[in-house]
Amino acid sequence: KAGVTQTPRYLIKTRGQQVTLSCSPISGHRSVSWYQQTPGQGLQFLFEYFSETQRNKGNFPGRFSGRQFSNSRSEMNVSTLELGDSALYLCASSPGTGGLEAFFGQGTRLTVV
Amino acid sequence: GENVEQHPSTLSVQEGDSAVIKCTYSDSASNYFPWYKQELGKRPQLIIDIRSNVGEKKDQRIAVTLNKTAKHFSLHITETQPEDSAVYFCAALYSGNTPLVFGKGTRLSVIA
Repeated sequence: KAGVTQTPRYLIKTRGQQVTLSCSPISGHRSVSWYQQTPGQGLQFLFEYFSETQRNKGNFPGRFSGRQFSNSRSEMNVSTLELGDSALYLCASSPGTGGLEAFFGQGTRLTVV
Repeated sequence: GENVEQHPSTLSVQEGDSAVIKCTYSDSASNYFPWYKQELGKRPQLIIDIRSNVGEKKDQRIAVTLNKTAKHFSLHITETQPEDSAVYFCAALYSGNTPLVFGKGTRLSVIA
C-alpha cells in the first residue's frame, strides 16, 4: 500500500508570490491534515479536510487555504508569501476524522526569499 | 483547547541505557496519545500509541505509560541504540473530530 505522497519536495519562492502544495493520502484514507513545522515552533496545525469539507482550522492567517478533492487528494495554498512562511509543510492522512492513526508524508520544504 | 508540554527538549544517553520522555496534557477528556519519531530529513513516523482506557502498552524496546489522574504520559526506550537518535514528538487528541496537538519535541542522542 503506497504511503502519503507530497509534491513537490522542495520549493523556492519570492516574497509576495503564491504557492500550491499537494498531498495524496493513503488509499482509503479520507482525512487529510496539514501542519507547518519550524525549528522553534514544532508542528503547528493548519487545517483538516474530510470528505471535501474543512473540519478544523488552526490559528493561521487567511493567506493559508486548502481544499480536498473527491479522490481525497488535498492541496494547500499560501498567497502573498512572507519570509516567515519558510518551513516544512507536512500533511498527514487518517482513516477517519481527526488525528487518529495519522501517517505523515515526507513534506514540502518551502523557502521564501 | 488542548495544550501539550513535553520534557526534556534534549536528552543524551549512553548506548544500552534507557531513555524516558514525558508529556503532560491539559484536557482531561483527551483520549488518544501517539508518539512520533522523526529522523533528520525524514517524515514523522508513528511508533506507538495508547488510548485512554489502557495504562501501558509495549512494543519490543519501546513502551508508553499513561496516568490519566495526573494527565501525563511517557515514552520509555530500553537498551537504546544509535539508530534511536531522532526527535520524538508526543501528541494528544481530544476527540475523534479534533486535530492532534503536538508537544515541541525531544531531541534524543544515543552516544555509542
